[in-house]
Amino acid sequence: AQSVTQPDIHITVSEGASLELRCNYSYGATPYLFWYVQSPGQGLQLLLKYFSGDTLVQGIKGFEAEFKRSQSSFNLRKPSVHWSDAAEYFCAVNTNAGKSTFGDGTTLTVKP
Amino acid sequence: DVKVTQSSRYLVKRTGEKVFLECVQDMDHENMFWYRQDPGLGLRLIYFSYDVKMKEKGDIPEGYSVSREKKERFSLILESASTNQTSMYLCASSPEGGRFWKTQYFGPGTRLLVL
Repeated sequence: AQSVTQPDIHITVSEGASLELRCNYSYGATPYLFWYVQSPGQGLQLLLKYFSGDTLVQGIKGFEAEFKRSQSSFNLRKPSVHWSDAAEYFCAVNTNAGKSTFGDGTTLTVKP
Repeated sequence: DVKVTQSSRYLVKRTGEKVFLECVQDMDHENMFWYRQDPGLGLRLIYFSYDVKMKEKGDIPEGYSVSREKKERFSLILESASTNQTSMYLCASSPEGGRFWKTQYFGPGTRLLVL
């Protein structure tokens, strides 16, 4: 069965600093990979996705993620964090059988 | 732009009431989903539908039913609400058809409180 691990429950960064949120997955083949963001009381918004091809994918709001097959990772990055990026971030994995698994989420706090 | 809407942002219901949560998508997506989200338990799939009038149970279907009479609308029904169904309910849709969906687009969520 597939699984997703987001090792960091909570991360705090200063505004303007760089950000990296970690995601590790367990699945026998290459899965479809996603990052979502959820602001308090809101639904999940898709930031970016990886299906195949270039392992560095660009998303909305200046986010990017890199798929590393050897490490079974799909880490999310942003070069300069804004206060509005404070939210909860979810990594998700989908197999080619339509099964979605979400990580437990990482809460990002941005210090002024 | 992808648009999934849910009929209510907040609902307060009494134990034993029949509750309807409505979800509408305007993207002509074939697949639609209902999840619930709870602290410490993450997102759990309740039901999904891959076509009109077609549905399949997810991981936690007990106490819930669904209805999909039209492609754009997917309803979640709590036949007799209980306090353990207090939760955030998220609807999603997917453009990839059949049982092999990939990308899911989520609505804003409905926070349900059952007293």
